Amino acid sequence: GQQLNQSPQSMFIQEGEDVSMNCTSSSIFNTWLWYKQDPGEGPVLLIALYKAGELTSNGRLTAQFGITRKDSFLNISASIPSDVGIYFCAGYTISGSARQLTFGSGTQLTVLP
Amino acid sequence: NAGVTQTPKFQVLKTGQSMTLQCAQDMNHEYMSWYRQDPGMGLRLIHYSVGAGITDQGEVPNGYNVSRSTTEDFPLRLLSAAPSQTSVYFCASRGRDSWADTQYFGPGTRLTVL
Repeated sequence: GQQLNQSPQSMFIQEGEDVSMNCTSSSIFNTWLWYKQDPGEGPVLLIALYKAGELTSNGRLTAQFGITRKDSFLNISASIPSDVGIYFCAGYTISGSARQLTFGSGTQLTVLP
Repeated sequence: NAGVTQTPKFQVLKTGQSMTLQCAQDMNHEYMSWYRQDPGMGLRLIHYSVGAGITDQGEVPNGYNVSRSTTEDFPLRLLSAAPSQTSVYFCASRGRDSWADTQYFGPGTRLTVL
């Protein structure tokens, strides 16, 4: 199946710092998604990207759909304590009439006061 | 709307026992899915359904059965639990005409198989 390589696996940053994480794949994706998961909860969608080269912001979050359609990054600016959690990238591919969603392994973010 | 609900929230089983994880949604969504989440592996698709009466296998279907008799419910059955099935299980749903930006996840079921 499809594979997404997400990095880094974990990050420890100071409050106020900017954060960057990315996902790469050997396969082409039609849609890139970024989710956040809080402890004990299910993932919640942060940003969806639909076109190669697309750059989308959601508050302090910015994500880009790579030109090659094989990568995406997520930036968080001026981090705050509530940014703590696991961030997942995910991508949709289309196989026939089916859309397959593949998740990265996640980036655990810790924000230190 | 309650969104996507899952029960139970926690469960401990012995090897060989069977159980059903419940998932329900009140948004009239056609698509429903079950994922398992293991440390360092993200979420992997177990089974999915594109509508009542229709189910299909995902990436890791072995050891699990599903059925979709109604639009609202999508239970996941473990027929003979194994320690390898210790994981956190998430149910998700989305509407037919929507892309991933309207896929909603439930709060998860944390399963331990001894």
